[in-house]
Amino acid sequence: GAVVSQHPSRVICKSGTSVKIECRSLDFQATTMFWYRQFPKQSLMLMATSNEGSKATYEQGVEKDKFLINHASLTLSTLTVTSAHPEDSSFYICSARSTSGGARGDTQYFGPGTRLTVL
Amino acid sequence: AQSVAQPEDQVNVAEGNPLTVKCTYSVSGNPYLFWYVQYPNRGLQFLLKYITGDNLVKGSYGFEAEFNKSQTSCHLKKPSALVSDSALYFCARGSARQLTFGSGTQLTVLP
Repeated sequence: GAVVSQHPSRVICKSGTSVKIECRSLDFQATTMFWYRQFPKQSLMLMATSNEGSKATYEQGVEKDKFLINHASLTLSTLTVTSAHPEDSSFYICSARSTSGGARGDTQYFGPGTRLTVL
Repeated sequence: AQSVAQPEDQVNVAEGNPLTVKCTYSVSGNPYLFWYVQYPNRGLQFLLKYITGDNLVKGSYGFEAEFNKSQTSCHLKKPSALVSDSALYFCARGSARQLTFGSGTQLTVLP
């Protein structure tokens, strides 16, 4: 249980194009999903918190117009990197918090990550 | 601010030996502490969480965490390491609403 998927797992794009990454909770509903960025051999950096049906909350220093987040349903959140540049190349990881009570509701479950390379 | 620290960037242990990956936390309220493992080019897998109660918490894949309030620590342990346990381990503090991660510890289990 508590499976989170991400698609695509890897993407290579040209500079200036936009890329959409999907995050899905497969066996539970998630009112809250999170997007992280991870640089090589570093910890996870929280980019934004998205709540179903409302605007995402971005961390300081994260450009909301560049990293568009949509959380249209209880099982799907998307991150769109607009006008991507080489410095946006990174490993992007999403996580989801269950709406159910008990143990599962108190934990973030992570997707497998998306490796973005911008040429 | 609430934080966690992982004092060791790298831990090496021989297969079959016990392993410990250290984590300490800042003293601020009751800590909710989590351990996650990350394999190369993969997301984080949940191992265990400590909320309150017993000082020894059992998790997935034979891992357990020993919570010590006086030392403000929550070290990850396993009695007998496997080569397949080689990965990057993160402790985190907070709740499901917001997690603060440590810097990570690369565990290498040598055959």
